[in-house]
Amino acid sequence: KAGVTQTPRYLIKTRGQQVTLSCSPISGHRSVSWYQQTPGQGLQFLFEYFSETQRNKGNFPGRFSGRQFSNSRSEMNVSTLELGDSALYLCASSTVSAGVRADTQYFGPGTRLTVL
Amino acid sequence: DAKTTQPTSMDCAEGRAANLPCNHSTISGNEYVYWYRQIHSQGPQYIIHGLKNNETNEMASLIITEDRKSSTLILPHATLRDTAVYYCIVRVGVVSSGSARQLTFGSGTQLTVLP
Repeated sequence: KAGVTQTPRYLIKTRGQQVTLSCSPISGHRSVSWYQQTPGQGLQFLFEYFSETQRNKGNFPGRFSGRQFSNSRSEMNVSTLELGDSALYLCASSTVSAGVRADTQYFGPGTRLTVL
Repeated sequence: DAKTTQPTSMDCAEGRAANLPCNHSTISGNEYVYWYRQIHSQGPQYIIHGLKNNETNEMASLIITEDRKSSTLILPHATLRDTAVYYCIVRVGVVSSGSARQLTFGSGTQLTVLP
């Protein structure tokens, strides 16, 4: 099976702009989670989507949003970019099904966002 | 989710076994131990997970103490490519709809495999 893919891999934006990142989960995986990684804060959870619904959200401002499509692909959007939004944005997918005792999240390669 | 404690850094000679410890003294009965690693600027890679029995796969072995308060990840024959930050995470396994499913990453252990 192909792994989690994220596009684009690298992105440079300026303050005030907005950005949309895309994530395609592993085939058959219906849950997609997003994380932000910065040198100062480490890996932090942004939100999780399952069946096109946001199920859980981390402690991030409303400028960070996301959505999931019927094919489980997900996008996250950051509006009014700030310098501090420069980070590696990671997407992870997992399968959620009856009988799965412990689901495992598989990560994509990430999108490196630089805000100038 | 239970908090974990890992050493900040460790070195290991190439070809030798790398043993990475993790303390999770407040682990609950329904919480699993997961291990991930992250090579610089790449996405975290899943390694292994377990509940109370020792586990082994093609990448590593996971040894969980009988009281489940600590565990050790073993890379049997470390190579230079195993140099990475290793994260030990404790999280509930099957979660119901709407409950927290995210992974909470700590600082991890920087493993450096030396030639």
